[in-house]
Amino acid sequence: GESVGLHLPTLSVQEGDNSIINCAYSNSASDYFIWYKQESGKGPQFIIDIRSNMDKRQGQRVTVLLNKTVKHLSLQIAATQPGDSAVYFCAENPAYSSASKIIFGSGTRLSIRP
Amino acid sequence: EAQVTQNPRYLITVTGKKLTVTCSQNMNHEYMSWYRQDPGLGLRQIYYSMNVEVTDKGDVPEGYKVSRKEKRNFPLILESPSPNQTSLYFCASSLRGREQYFGPGTRLTVT
Repeated sequence: GESVGLHLPTLSVQEGDNSIINCAYSNSASDYFIWYKQESGKGPQFIIDIRSNMDKRQGQRVTVLLNKTVKHLSLQIAATQPGDSAVYFCAENPAYSSASKIIFGSGTRLSIRP
Repeated sequence: EAQVTQNPRYLITVTGKKLTVTCSQNMNHEYMSWYRQDPGLGLRQIYYSMNVEVTDKGDVPEGYKVSRKEKRNFPLILESPSPNQTSLYFCASSLRGREQYFGPGTRLTVT
């Protein structure tokens, strides 16, 4: 979920289990929501996005769920692998703004237990 | 290989000494952006550009300048760097805006 202050929320998951990373967003008028993954020492990498008129979207091993009623976004990773260890950011593209205006959350660190 | 490149990757400089961080993409993307990343604050957008000669402020533009004279390049200019601009900087490009491809980052230290 979103963090407050200097410490990232951390999610620790057993290898092979499913991971669920949560995000609360603030702007009810946002049009697009995006999930990024950032591995240590690298730039963020796009995972999946969802438009505000959708509730669910699936990719390869990932599913994003959007609940506009409570302004909540989640990323589900199936059968978590060691390579999934990273910081995950949710991001939003506010409506009526350029598609290039992206607001990032502060991230959740996912660690995998062997 | 499709990529976003940034130079330099690491830079230590002193307060007030003008510097430029270059960013280049080879994907013919319309959109480009600059972000800074600080511990606990996630990524904050500094400036973005929708096309050549079209730029707009992000959330933290103070102290920065950009230019977009060519489609592939989007340099970030710090005219008079200050210690509070010590950060990790990322450039990104995108075909349609939302799915952004990020560069490897530039770690800047201003003393």
